[in-house]
Amino acid sequence: DAGVTQSPTHLIKTRGQHVTLRCSPISGHKSVSWYQQVLGQGPQFIFQYYEKEERGRGNFPDRFSARQFPNYSSELNVNALLLGDSALYLCASSLGQIYSNQPQHFGDGTRLSIL
Amino acid sequence: RKEVEQDPGPFNVPEGATVAFNCTYSNSASQSFFWYRQDCRKEPKLLMSVYSSGNEDGRFTAQLNRASQYISLLIRDSKLSDSATYLCVVSGEGGFKTIFGAGTRLFVKA
Repeated sequence: DAGVTQSPTHLIKTRGQHVTLRCSPISGHKSVSWYQQVLGQGPQFIFQYYEKEERGRGNFPDRFSARQFPNYSSELNVNALLLGDSALYLCASSLGQIYSNQPQHFGDGTRLSIL
Repeated sequence: RKEVEQDPGPFNVPEGATVAFNCTYSNSASQSFFWYRQDCRKEPKLLMSVYSSGNEDGRFTAQLNRASQYISLLIRDSKLSDSATYLCVVSGEGGFKTIFGAGTRLFVKA
């Protein structure tokens, strides 16, 4: 069975541009979460979606947005890119909402570099 | 104070040693707890969930102390392949927000 898949694997952008990252959850998983991980730190929570609705948001500016589609795949959009947005962006899926003690399974991530 | 705190290490131990990591969390309403392992430049992978009664999986034992708001991970008989960063994970306020600790780095030496 396919795990969580993310695309693209790597991406290089310049300041001010926008980017769209994509994630397909494990089959049967309805919850998708997005994280940002910079070197030397743990993943920072950005968003959680469950059944196509936003169920959680971390401390990220409005330049960050996301959505979940009927097939439970998800997109993360970041506008007006800043140098500080350079990071590994991780998508994770789980069966249900996080509070139900369902562990999350991560994709390989998208490594975003801002020049 | 960070919501989830871990000793960043690194912990340098010889093969066969027993090593323990602790993690504290600030939100007493936290619902779920996990340990993840992350290898260099790879995605985090679930190591084990943590239950109030404590749980064991082979050489790994996890415990949760809700009263003191900490989680522990014990690794017995360390292997070279255990070298990684260990991330403490807590589901946050309302259960919709997951907080990762910054991770504890472990190096197991031959």
